[in-house]
Amino acid sequence: NAGVTQTPKFRVLKTGQSMTLLCAQDMNHEYMYWYRQDPGMGLRLIHYSVGEGTTAKGEVPDGYNVSRLKKQNFLLGLESAAPSQTSVYFCASSYPSRGVNQPQHFGDGTRLSIL
Amino acid sequence: DAKTTQPPSMDCAEGRAANLPCNHSTISGNEYVYWYRQIHSQGPQYIIHGLKNNETNEMASLIITEDRKSSTLILPHATLRDTAVYYCIVRAVNAGNMLTFGGGTRLMVKP
Repeated sequence: NAGVTQTPKFRVLKTGQSMTLLCAQDMNHEYMYWYRQDPGMGLRLIHYSVGEGTTAKGEVPDGYNVSRLKKQNFLLGLESAAPSQTSVYFCASSYPSRGVNQPQHFGDGTRLSIL
Repeated sequence: DAKTTQPPSMDCAEGRAANLPCNHSTISGNEYVYWYRQIHSQGPQYIIHGLKNNETNEMASLIITEDRKSSTLILPHATLRDTAVYYCIVRAVNAGNMLTFGGGTRLMVKP
């Protein structure tokens, strides 16, 4: 049981390049999330998904796109990377709340640097 | 979601109890108090949550005041591995399970 796995763990990009971050979970969770964390700050929600084929914007969605084609995977895309997107990206997953509070399970992050 | 206020940093001696306070004076009746922690370079880890009753699990205890305007996370016997940033988060039960992280408290457990 691997939990939440993020790929890659590190990446350096040049401004304008594109890339996709992959998040995979093996807990059969319906909800998945992408956060970013800048130095010395808490996490901020980028996009989230409440089920296969559905996505929604979070607090800081600009410059990112997401897709949830399979229940176990949630992809975060940067179409044209900018230095402001240099950050640590965390993926998380959970069961739906439905009136019962469900904790989120996080991956270990992808450290992305944009030059 | 209600805003939370936490001290930016705290120290604790190894083996002693660590008591981490959180103020959430604008909390609503349907909002829970969550605690997560983030050990350096790792993803956040869920610790505990509660509504109005005190809660305890294998990791910690959560004490919520009667007026629910503040709470305290207690690590009964802190170890060096408990050194981390601890986040207090208030969230409504039907808020789509979204979490809003503030700055947290950086707990340093010292030998």
